[in-house]
Amino acid sequence: AQSVTQLDSQVPVFEEAPVELRCNYSSSVSVYLFWYVQYPNQGLQLLLKYLSGSTLVKGINGFEAEFNKSQTSFHLRKPSVHISDTAEYFCAVRESMNYGGSQGNLIFGKGTKLSVKP
Amino acid sequence: DVKVTQSSRYLVKRTGEKVFLECVQDMDHENMFWYRQDPGLGLRLIYFSYDVKMKEKGDIPEGYSVSREKKERFSLILESASTNQTSMYLCASSIPGQLVDEQFFGPGTRLTVL
Repeated sequence: AQSVTQLDSQVPVFEEAPVELRCNYSSSVSVYLFWYVQYPNQGLQLLLKYLSGSTLVKGINGFEAEFNKSQTSFHLRKPSVHISDTAEYFCAVRESMNYGGSQGNLIFGKGTKLSVKP
Repeated sequence: DVKVTQSSRYLVKRTGEKVFLECVQDMDHENMFWYRQDPGLGLRLIYFSYDVKMKEKGDIPEGYSVSREKKERFSLILESASTNQTSMYLCASSIPGQLVDEQFFGPGTRLTVL
């Protein structure tokens, strides 16, 4: 069965510092990987996704993530964060070979709260 | 842009009440989902639907039911609300297919059951 682990529940960081939010997954088949962001009192918004091809994926708001198959990781990074990046970030995975039924659904991690301080 | 709307942002109900949470999407998406979000637990799938009048249980369906009479509308029903159903409820929709798999989320309904 698939699972997603976000190792840090909270990450405090100062403005303009770099940040990495960690995500590891487990699956016996190929996967698609996603990062979503949830700003306070809002729904989730897609930041970026890995489907195939280049393992370095660039998303919105200056975020990027790197797919590492051997380490089953998909860590999210930003070289310089802003106060406005304060939000909760969710990593999600879906099997790439099956669609239909529950195999096609996203499995979400428990989220990482990024807090950017001035 | 895809828009997913939920009928209420905040809702307060009493134990034992029947509660309806409505979700509407405007992009003709086949797939629709209901999640609940709790601190430290992330998003957990309650029910999903791949077509009109079709529904499947997710990971935590107990205490909930759903209805999808029209393609654009997916309703979550709490037959008899309980305090442990106090949570944030998120609706999402997507287009089926291996490469177009982004789920679009509504703003959420924060339900409090007293």
